[in-house]
Amino acid sequence: AQKVTQAQTEISVVEKEDVTLDCVYETRDTTYYLFWYKQPPSGELVFLIRRNSFDEQNEISGRYSWNFQKSTSSFNFTITASQVVDSAVYFCALSEAQGGSEKLVFGKGTKLTVNP
Amino acid sequence: NAGVTQTPKFQVLKTGQSMTLQCAQDMNHEYMSWYRQDPGMGLRLIHYSVGAGITDQGEVPNGYNVSRSTTEDFPLRLLSAAPSQTSVYFCASSYGRQAYNEQFFGPGTRLTVL
Repeated sequence: AQKVTQAQTEISVVEKEDVTLDCVYETRDTTYYLFWYKQPPSGELVFLIRRNSFDEQNEISGRYSWNFQKSTSSFNFTITASQVVDSAVYFCALSEAQGGSEKLVFGKGTKLTVNP
Repeated sequence: NAGVTQTPKFQVLKTGQSMTLQCAQDMNHEYMSWYRQDPGMGLRLIHYSVGAGITDQGEVPNGYNVSRSTTEDFPLRLLSAAPSQTSVYFCASSYGRQAYNEQFFGPGTRLTVL
C-alpha cells in the first residue's frame, strides 16, 4: 500500500530564511511518481512538480528545489530565501505506476507561515 | 478553457438531506476524481473514474455515490448528509487513465452539514 508522511505539521520562519519541507513515502512498486502541491490561503491547489522514480536528479526552479533520495524514500522540498507569498499548506503525494496507478495518495500537509 | 469547474462553491445542508456536487472539465481528460479535505487530514480520495461508464471507490467512499455518463462530468452525490461529511470537496482531472499524471483541481466546494 502506498503511504506518504509529512511529519512537520506547521513551520514558521522569518522572511529570507531557507526552509525545508520533509516528505517520506512508502511503496512496493519500483516505478512510481511523486508530487508536490501548494495550497495558498485562497484555497486552490497548485501543482508544483512531478518526478518519477527513475529520475533522482535534484530539481531547481527559481527559489524552489527538490531533493529526491530513493535510499531514504524521501522527496524533500526546499524554499530558498522564503517570502511572505510562500505562506501556504504544502502537500506531498504519491502514485504508483503499477499496483496503485489509479490512486493519488496525499500526505497530511505542512503549513508554512513566512513572517515579514 | 475553463479547466475544472465545481458548483456550488458553498452549501449548507441539514442532516438527512441529499444533494449533488457538480464537477465538469473541458480538457477531454479521461481520469477524474473526488477528494475531501479535512483539517489535519490532507486530501483523501472518495471516488474516481478512468473514463465514461467506469467508476471505483477510493479511500473514504461511504455515504457518497458517483456516476460518469460523459467524459466531461463527474457528479458526487450525498445520499443522506451527516455532520461527518462537513468538509471541503475537490474535484480533479488528468490526462490518461492513471492518477500519476498531473492532476488539475477545481476550486473546491465547502459543505457544512448541520
